Amino acid sequence: EAQVTQNPRYLITVTGKKLTVTCSQNMNHEYMSWYRQDPGLGLRQIYYSMNVEVTDKGDVPEGYKVSRKEKRNFPLILESPSPNQTSLYFCAVSGGAGNQPQHFGDGTRLSIL
Amino acid sequence: GQQLNQSPQSMFIQEGEDVSMNCTSSSIFNTWLWYKQDPGEGPVLLIALYKAGELTSNGRLTAQFGITRKDSFLNISASIPSDVGIYFCAGRSGAGSYQLTFGKGTKLSVIP
Repeated sequence: EAQVTQNPRYLITVTGKKLTVTCSQNMNHEYMSWYRQDPGLGLRQIYYSMNVEVTDKGDVPEGYKVSRKEKRNFPLILESPSPNQTSLYFCAVSGGAGNQPQHFGDGTRLSIL
Repeated sequence: GQQLNQSPQSMFIQEGEDVSMNCTSSSIFNTWLWYKQDPGEGPVLLIALYKAGELTSNGRLTAQFGITRKDSFLNISASIPSDVGIYFCAGRSGAGSYQLTFGKGTKLSVIP
C-alpha cells in the first residue's frame, strides 16, 4: 500500500528549540514537497525536492530547512522555531515525471509557544 | 505568480442536494486535480483531469476540465453527510512539471 508517513502528528514546543518533522514514502517517487496550511491562506509550499540531493525553495521557505539525502526521506527542519510557524504541515510526494498527482501525508500539527 | 480563484469559499446544503464548485485561473493549466480534506487528515485525491474538455466521474462526483484550460468545476450529486469537508482544486501548468498551484478551498457543510 502506497504510504506517506509523517512524524510526529502533533507537537507542542517552545520558541527557539530546534525540531525536525520527518516524512518518508514507500513509493520510490522522485518528487517530495512540504506545505503549510493556515486558515484563509490555503496550502502554501515551503520547499520541494525533485530528487536526491536536489532541493528548491517554494513560496514560503523562510525559517525552514530541508534535506534529501535518500530518496524515501525528506525531513523538514526548524532550526529556531517561532510562534508564526504554528501551523498544520503536510508532506506530499509525486512520481511519473510530473504526470502523476501529488499524494499527501496525514499532516503534522505544530504549536510553537 | 499563478493564482487560482476557487468559489464558493463555503457552502451549507441540505442532505440530498447537488453541489457545484469551481476554480478559475489567470493562466493555462494542463492538469487539473480535485482533492478532499477531512478534518485532521491530509488532502485525498478525488479526480484528475489531463485534457481540455475532459469530463470524469468518480461515483457521485463529476469534474470537468474547461475548454479554455483556465477553469474546472466539481459537481457532487445527492450529497450525504460524509461529503462534509474542504475541497481543493489544484492546477499544473508545465508539461512534466511536478509543481501545483492550489485554490484556497471550498468548505462544505451538509445538513442532515
